Amino acid sequence: QVQLVQSGAEVKKPGSSVKVSCKASGDTFRSYAINWVRQAPGQGLEWMGGIIPIFDTAHYAQNFQGRVTITADTSTSTAYMELSSLRSEDTAVYYCARDRAGCSGGGCRPYYYGMDVWGQGTTVTVSS
Amino acid sequence: QSVLTQPPSVSAAPGQKVIISCSGSSSNIGNYYVSWYQQFPGTAPKLLIYDNDKRPSGIPDRFSGSKSGTSGTLGITGLQTGDEAHYYCGSWDSSLSAGVFGGGTKLTVL
Repeated sequence: QVQLVQSGAEVKKPGSSVKVSCKASGDTFRSYAINWVRQAPGQGLEWMGGIIPIFDTAHYAQNFQGRVTITADTSTSTAYMELSSLRSEDTAVYYCARDRAGCSGGGCRPYYYGMDVWGQGTTVTVSS
Repeated sequence: QSVLTQPPSVSAAPGQKVIISCSGSSSNIGNYYVSWYQQFPGTAPKLLIYDNDKRPSGIPDRFSGSKSGTSGTLGITGLQTGDEAHYYCGSWDSSLSAGVFGGGTKLTVL
């Protein structure tokens, strides 16, 4: 059974950084992309970015450009999402989710068909 | 403001049918797949529909998806109280080079 297992909850100070991990089982890294989606309390889903591990290429949402870095370690089948310059508005549950990488004219995209396996979520609280 | 537009809420009686719409543009739904997710409070989203109209293994055929032009729809028939949840649509947006979601629709089964 394919699983994505995320690291535990974090409490951070404003201005600091957080790095969340997402370990995949099975052949996820050979054939899939890993996306990061966050959900602030009482709010909807927000796509942050994604990576296609076999190509080591990442896409980022404009809202997070310059503050988020998504990486993947194929040797351990683990993806990472690091968010810097944290502020209180970054308090949210952060999810990793896999999708089959979609490639067509214009390149490959980490979110293309639908995210079929999700991690359990990591709560990040930013508070002074 | 979400790039994809969904109604904030829909409601229907048990056993009835409900349709949830997801409106986009040519830069997203018009040229890319729509997927749909179900989310219960405190849990991770669950994929209901991918590739516009396909159901993953284990998803009942009470759930269906379709796409026409720049809009997608999720249909749920034979409503059950256990279907009460938030539903989200998502797609890729070529103008933003990013994934995008709708704001979510809360389904109430009266």
